[in-house]
Amino acid sequence: AQSVTQPDARVTVSEGASLQLRCKYSYSATPYLFWYVQYPRQGLQLLLKYYSGDPVVQGVNSFEAEFSKSNSSFHLQKASVHWSDSAVYFCALSMSSAGNKLTFGIGTRVLVRP
Amino acid sequence: GPKVLQIPSHQIIDMGQMVTLNCDPVSNHLYFYWYKQILGQQMEFLVNFYNGKVMEKSKLFKDQFSVERPDGSYFTLKIQPTALEDSAVYFCASSLTVNTGQLYFGEGSKLTVL
Repeated sequence: AQSVTQPDARVTVSEGASLQLRCKYSYSATPYLFWYVQYPRQGLQLLLKYYSGDPVVQGVNSFEAEFSKSNSSFHLQKASVHWSDSAVYFCALSMSSAGNKLTFGIGTRVLVRP
Repeated sequence: GPKVLQIPSHQIIDMGQMVTLNCDPVSNHLYFYWYKQILGQQMEFLVNFYNGKVMEKSKLFKDQFSVERPDGSYFTLKIQPTALEDSAVYFCASSLTVNTGQLYFGEGSKLTVL
């Protein structure tokens, strides 16, 4: 069975600093990988996705993620965070034919200090 | 962007009662989903629904659960009767296509069963 691990429950960074959120997955083949974000009082929104090809994918709001098959990882990064990036970030995977049945990590809560 | 609305945002009921959670999906979407998140745990897939039928359900989708979308109105999750372990946040999602992982989520309906 597949699984997603986000080892950091909470991350606090200062505005302008860089951010990296870790995600490790367990799946026998190469899955589809996603990062979703949930801002306060909103539903989850898709930040970026990886299906195949270039392992570095760009998303909205200057986020990017890098897929590593050897490390079974899909870490999310942003070079310079803004206070509005404070949110909960979820890593998720699905099998290619899974009918949008996503397996989520537990989420990482990010607090950006002014 | 497109929004998924969920009603109610929070409901408290006594064990054994019936509850209906309502979801107003994105207007042109064809696929609908419910996910369940118990406090402190990952969000987990419950069920997906297309063309008036359940496509797939997980083992969490107990016999007491049912979904429907009568006449293109709300997509509903009904639990009858409720149990203590049904206490969770239930997220509705919708998508235009399947197998892309691009879902639009609501803010969630928090259900507390006493």
